[in-house]
Amino acid sequence: NAGVTQTPKFRVLKTGQSMTLLCAQDMNHEYMYWYRQDPGMGLRLIHYSVGEGTTAKGEVPDGYNVSRLKKQNFLLGLESAAPSQTSVYFCASQGAIGYTEAFFGQGTRLTVV
Amino acid sequence: DAKTTQPNSMESNEEEPVHLPCNHSTISGTDYIHWYRQLPSQGPEYVIHGLTSNVNNRMASLAIAEDRKSSTLILHRATLRDAAVYYCILRDVGTGDTGNQFYFGTGTSLTVIP
Repeated sequence: NAGVTQTPKFRVLKTGQSMTLLCAQDMNHEYMYWYRQDPGMGLRLIHYSVGEGTTAKGEVPDGYNVSRLKKQNFLLGLESAAPSQTSVYFCASQGAIGYTEAFFGQGTRLTVV
Repeated sequence: DAKTTQPNSMESNEEEPVHLPCNHSTISGTDYIHWYRQLPSQGPEYVIHGLTSNVNNRMASLAIAEDRKSSTLILHRATLRDAAVYYCILRDVGTGDTGNQFYFGTGTSLTVIP
């Protein structure tokens, strides 16, 4: 049972390049989340999804887009990467809100030069 | 979303109990109290959650105040592997959008001294 898998684990981009981060979960969870974590900081919510075909903005959505075409996958896109988007990105999934545990991936370390 | 307040950092000696406090004075009746921790260079992991009653599991205990305005995560015997950032989070199961969002604060950084 893989849980939550993030691809890739590391990436270096040049300013202006685009890329997509993939989050895959095999637990049939409805809820999925994308976070970023800057050095010495807590996690900040970028976007989230409450089910297949739905997405919504979190605290820091600017510069990112997301899609949830399949229930098991949640994609995070950077159309034109900026150095300010250098961060560690975490994905999470949860079966039901409030009273169940969320599962997190191991993170993607992204550097924009 | 109701907010939580935690100390920035705490220290504990190895093999001694640790009590990590969290204040949530604006908690609503439909908010569950969740604790997660983040080990160095890893994603957060679930520790425990509760609504009104104290809870125990293999990792920790959660003590919830009678008025629910504060809670305490208890690690019964701290080990070096427990050194992490601990996050106290409220999750709303009520109707509306707020329950779907899942916000972390800055948490408490726990140092375990050998």
